[in-house]
Amino acid sequence: GAGVSQSPSNKVTEKGKDVELRCDPISGHTALYWYRQSLGQGLEFLIYFQGNSAPDKSGLPSDRFSAERTGGSVSTLTIQRTQQEDSAVYLCASSLTNLGVGADTQYFGPGTRLTVL
Amino acid sequence: RKEVEQDPGPFNVPEGATVAFNCTYSNSASQSFFWYRQDCRKEPKLLMSVYSSGNEDGRFTAQLNRASQYISLLIRDSKLSDSATYLCVLNTDKLIFGTGTRLQVFP
Repeated sequence: GAGVSQSPSNKVTEKGKDVELRCDPISGHTALYWYRQSLGQGLEFLIYFQGNSAPDKSGLPSDRFSAERTGGSVSTLTIQRTQQEDSAVYLCASSLTNLGVGADTQYFGPGTRLTVL
Repeated sequence: RKEVEQDPGPFNVPEGATVAFNCTYSNSASQSFFWYRQDCRKEPKLLMSVYSSGNEDGRFTAQLNRASQYISLLIRDSKLSDSATYLCVLNTDKLIFGTGTRLQVFP
């Protein structure tokens, strides 16, 4: 079946503009995660949605970052008033659920490469 | 102390060698563990899941030591295509990723 998809694959924007990044998880997956990865660095957790529970926003670096997940499926990560330090690859992952043997395996999308000029 | 710690490497090994990476974690409540591999400029992909004491898949063996709070990955008969960054991951109800260990296999 289809994997996790993300769009756009690349985004170049000017400092101060807002951007929206989209993630389509695997159908039926209740858990959805956003990470970002700067060049040569590890994965930085941003936000996590699990079913209808309130999202875990503990990783969002500032109030310029927000995310929503509509209808328990597609998610949008919004960055307002982008800064150059926001440049990174933004990765989305989904899993069947957040716990349970075999059910918590995360599958990643190809990422959105964001460049803020 | 970081929740997940890995030696960043790089580990440079010849083809055919056996190489092992260790990963230590601080949260004793962690329920499951994973090794992901990430190629340059690509997304992470699952290599192995570990829900009990270990797992083996072909040339790859993962072992979990809960008492000492570490998980290892052993790669036997290394191939050039094994060159990548290997990410140690634990699940504490959300996944926590290590920063990865870089492996470079040379001819």
